[in-house]
Amino acid sequence: EDQVTQSPEALRLQEGESSSLNCSYTVSGLRGLFWYRQDPGKGPEFLFTLYSAGEEKEKERLKATLTKKESFLHITAPKPEDSATYLCAVLLQAAGNKLTFGGGTRVLVKP
Amino acid sequence: NAGVMQNPRHLVRRRGQEARLRCSPMKGHSHVYWYRQLPEEGLKFMVYLQKENIIDESGMPKERFSAEFPKEGPSILRIQQVVRGDSAAYFCASSPMGQGGGYGYTFGSGTRLTVV
Repeated sequence: EDQVTQSPEALRLQEGESSSLNCSYTVSGLRGLFWYRQDPGKGPEFLFTLYSAGEEKEKERLKATLTKKESFLHITAPKPEDSATYLCAVLLQAAGNKLTFGGGTRVLVKP
Repeated sequence: NAGVMQNPRHLVRRRGQEARLRCSPMKGHSHVYWYRQLPEEGLKFMVYLQKENIIDESGMPKERFSAEFPKEGPSILRIQQVVRGDSAAYFCASSPMGQGGGYGYTFGSGTRLTVV
């Protein structure tokens, strides 16, 4: 069965303390891996799409990387406004346009 | 560009009533997806629709749930005879076409259904 697992479930950081979130997947036929940010009471907001191993994308303090079995979301020198739940999702060749999401990582950045 | 509009934002229904959730996709988007997020759980796919067609309903419960996306008007997710276990946040997303564009879906803010 296709699986997407995110770790850790929760992460508490001090402002400026860099860290990484992990998204591992056991799927066949990956078409793309997506990262989203979700704030409480809101819908997920698109961050990045990665298509192939070795690819990297950056946006402000966030950097996403992809290997054959996992993706990392690196948060560099985070600020309190980076506090959110970060979701990863995979799009599979055999699954049409359906995204399979991981359980998310809740990030809290304290000033 | 108003984005993906969902209404209502909050919906309270008694057990046995019907719930109707509406979703207007972004302008120019012809693909609509519904996802459910149970408390403390991740997003689970329910159904994928294009105008007047259900493309993939593999995530829809077999009974009580239905979805449509008519030629005119919003997409509707309908839950008949609601039970407490239906309490969740229901998110709609839209895209201009398949995922090949690389920008993922655009999600709405969700409808939070509470069954009492």
